[in-house]
Amino acid sequence: DGGITQSPKYLFRKEGQNVTLSCEQNLNHDAMYWYRQDPGQGLRLIYYSQIVNDFQKGDIAEGYSVSREKKESFPLTVTSAQKNPTAFYLCASTSGQGYEQYFGPGTRLTVT
Amino acid sequence: GEDVEQSLFLSVREGDSSVINCTYTDSSSTYLYWYKQEPGAGLQLLTYIFSNMDMKQDQRLTVLLNKKDKHLSLRIADTQTGDSAIYFCAETYTGYSTLTFGKGTMLLVSP
Repeated sequence: DGGITQSPKYLFRKEGQNVTLSCEQNLNHDAMYWYRQDPGQGLRLIYYSQIVNDFQKGDIAEGYSVSREKKESFPLTVTSAQKNPTAFYLCASTSGQGYEQYFGPGTRLTVT
Repeated sequence: GEDVEQSLFLSVREGDSSVINCTYTDSSSTYLYWYKQEPGAGLQLLTYIFSNMDMKQDQRLTVLLNKKDKHLSLRIADTQTGDSAIYFCAETYTGYSTLTFGKGTMLLVSP
């Protein structure tokens, strides 16, 4: 059963703690993406990676970090430097021809 | 920079057609997309259109593209209550490139 998995679905953290969100895909996609969604807003790009061991900052990378050690995995760390981390985080990946971007189910992070 | 605009809300009755509109500013856009998001879920790719096309039909969905006016629309025929969701328009200009999203149109279908 192919797809993109994100875990956990809900995550709660105290302010000042780093937290890592998981994203795994078994679609054999080369490119992977992290977006943030806030209520009433569109999606904003945090980071993306087009190949293993390489990634680029998106529009709102400050306070976030990523790694891409394996093709299947693209974890996102929300650091304590992110001023407003409470949001819905969506991971996506792009097919071989590069124009069909598929999304995971998302992780809702709440920081108090 | 690129910008994608959508109306925020649309309400229709079950069985009617729905038309969701989107305008974009980047004339070099080559791929334009429609995604559906149900509450608490990720985005589902509904359909997409290449910029060299004017229209694409897929079952109940019809996408119209007016490149001159940079206007994209999604028509849902025979709208059902299960179509109630937020619909996002997005664009990009090359494969493997990042997408620029609109803020989404909430479609509410009443019985």
